[in-house]
Amino acid sequence: AQSVTQLDSHVSVSEGTPVLLRCNYSSSYSPSLFWYVQHPNKGLQLLLKYTSAATLVKGINGFEAEFKKSETSFHLTKPSAHMSDAAEYFCVVSDGGGTSYGKLTFGQGTILTVHP
Amino acid sequence: ETGVTQTPRHLVMGMTNKKSLKCEQHLGHNAMYWYKQSAKKPLELMFVYNFKEQTENNSVPSRFSPECPNSSHLFLHLHTLQPEDSALYLCASSQEQGAVYGYTFGSGTRLTVV
Repeated sequence: AQSVTQLDSHVSVSEGTPVLLRCNYSSSYSPSLFWYVQHPNKGLQLLLKYTSAATLVKGINGFEAEFKKSETSFHLTKPSAHMSDAAEYFCVVSDGGGTSYGKLTFGQGTILTVHP
Repeated sequence: ETGVTQTPRHLVMGMTNKKSLKCEQHLGHNAMYWYKQSAKKPLELMFVYNFKEQTENNSVPSRFSPECPNSSHLFLHLHTLQPEDSALYLCASSQEQGAVYGYTFGSGTRLTVV
């Protein structure tokens, strides 16, 4: 079975300060993990993905995430927030086997607000 | 544009109407998906098609009827919907069924049932 928990429903930062969006997961098999972003009235865009290669994954727009198996975490970070980063972010897990293989399980989402 | 196009972008329909949502991709992908995004709830997988064959129906009510005539097109036919069916309906595609390939999502159809 697989599940994902986004620890914050809302995160608010000032422009130019670091961003940290937290995600914990559970998985019965070696998981694949993803972060998607959704801007208002838009579909979901893939930011980055982890699929058992390097544990530090770099994505688009300066975002990166680190897979930490011992902590079952996959937190999303960015050194310096930009106004255009304001959106909703989804952490997603997919089991590497079992009945959930190939299926995505989405977190509840974290709304990121960026203040000038 | 992501390469996955959904039409219409917005739809308002009465509970007795029949309407259809359309999804189209020309990415060469062989798997296509329908998701439902409701306020305050995680995305819910509805249907999966892989090489035009339905491989997943996630206990979706029969008032939602999918159709996949070819690998590039996916429809969701709607009839006698309920107000609680109001949501953003997202279509996605991937190279083949399986998350490791990465999904490409469309912008969605915002459905309101009145």
